[in-house]
Amino acid sequence: DAKTTQPTSMDCAEGRAANLPCNHSTISGNEYVYWYRQIHSQGPQYIIHGLKNNETNEMASLIITEDRKSSTLILPHATLRDTAVYYCIVRASGNTGKLIFGQGTTLQVKP
Amino acid sequence: GAVVSQHPSRVICKSGTSVKIECRSLDFQATTMFWYRQFPKQSLMLMATSNEGSKATYEQGVEKDKFLINHASLTLSTLTVTSAHPEDSSFYICSAVLDRGSQPQHFGDGTRLSIL
Repeated sequence: DAKTTQPTSMDCAEGRAANLPCNHSTISGNEYVYWYRQIHSQGPQYIIHGLKNNETNEMASLIITEDRKSSTLILPHATLRDTAVYYCIVRASGNTGKLIFGQGTTLQVKP
Repeated sequence: GAVVSQHPSRVICKSGTSVKIECRSLDFQATTMFWYRQFPKQSLMLMATSNEGSKATYEQGVEKDKFLINHASLTLSTLTVTSAHPEDSSFYICSAVLDRGSQPQHFGDGTRLSIL
């Protein structure tokens, strides 16, 4: 599975959009991009995933570049409860299903 | 959405004790469950992959005789830490997935294990 690169940390003002980037330049054609977040002392929470089209759900939007080498997770109106570590993970459909977690981005939402 | 329940949420026990952690998928049948371990200020590390009715597949460096995994049904997997020692103290997290397509894994809330 392709490796991802994320900034170590980011700050965002409450109420503003949080844009979290992820580079996955070695992504293969059958690999999906998954986003999870982990709030302190809890298990990771699934946010969204996509293959090549942009995706949106009640939590966030996922923008994937046309060459699929990078993506951006957008939280449209960040709240203090969105403070967490956000993980971008690439995984092929139909493989063993393993998710390999990197260090993620620590997002701090400030009042 | 999919719910995965993990029990207990916290365990404190003496060195040498064996501890069992349960992971249940509450509203779906999980073909595969995964066990992770997370040390303070570190990311999650995959320990093993568990398929219902078959032996677990362990990641390199994880002792299968130390960490016993049983996946007897499509909704339940258990991790037993045998003869636990202080260095086994960690945050253990399970996840479950409906199938091996593009469906996302869903995680439990983790078990904080402290060995005295």
